[in-house]
Amino acid sequence: EVQLMESGGGLVQPGGSLRLSCAASGFTFSTYWMSWVRQAPGKGLEWVANIKKDGGEKNYVGSVKGRFTISRDNAQNSLFLQMNSLRVEDTAVYYCARGGVPIDYWGQGTLVTVSS
Amino acid sequence: QSVLTQPPSASGTPGQRVTISCSGSSSNIGGNYVYWYQQLPGAVPKLLMYNNNQRTSGVPDRFSGSKSGSSASLAISGLRSEDEADYYCAAWDDSLRGYVFGTGTKVTVL
Repeated sequence: EVQLMESGGGLVQPGGSLRLSCAASGFTFSTYWMSWVRQAPGKGLEWVANIKKDGGEKNYVGSVKGRFTISRDNAQNSLFLQMNSLRVEDTAVYYCARGGVPIDYWGQGTLVTVSS
Repeated sequence: QSVLTQPPSASGTPGQRVTISCSGSSSNIGGNYVYWYQQLPGAVPKLLMYNNNQRTSGVPDRFSGSKSGSSASLAISGLRSEDEADYYCAAWDDSLRGYVFGTGTKVTVL
């Protein structure tokens, strides 16, 4: 069974940083692209970033380029999202997701709240 | 701001057919596959359809997908109360180099 478990969310002030982690199990992690998707409270889905199987290619949505960094550790079956210079508009549930195109499995999500 | 446009809502009575549209451009739907997701209230999204019209495992054949040019649609026939959810289309966008989601459609069973 595919399992994706996010951690690292919480309350942070504008301009602050946060690092999200995702522990994957139930599939061969190193053979899949992985993604982060977010959903602001009461809003729709927004793709944030994805990373190739070997970490050699990364893509980001325009609004987070230069501020967020996606990375992975295939030896530890883990996905990460380093978020710097956080803004109020980054407040959302962040989902770890399997796949690049398409995304086929989602974690339960971790809430990131950016507020002073 | 999503580049894939969906109607905000759709509704029908049990047994009716509901269709959800998804409008994009040549850089996304026009040149790539379309995917559909279902998000039940309080749940995480679930991949419903892939490659324009293929149902994922366990999805009833009441759900069907189609694509024409830079637009796509999801049809739900024989509407049931358990179909009440938010539905999102998605596609890769060659210009943005990103996976774009539609604005989402809330389906209500009256």
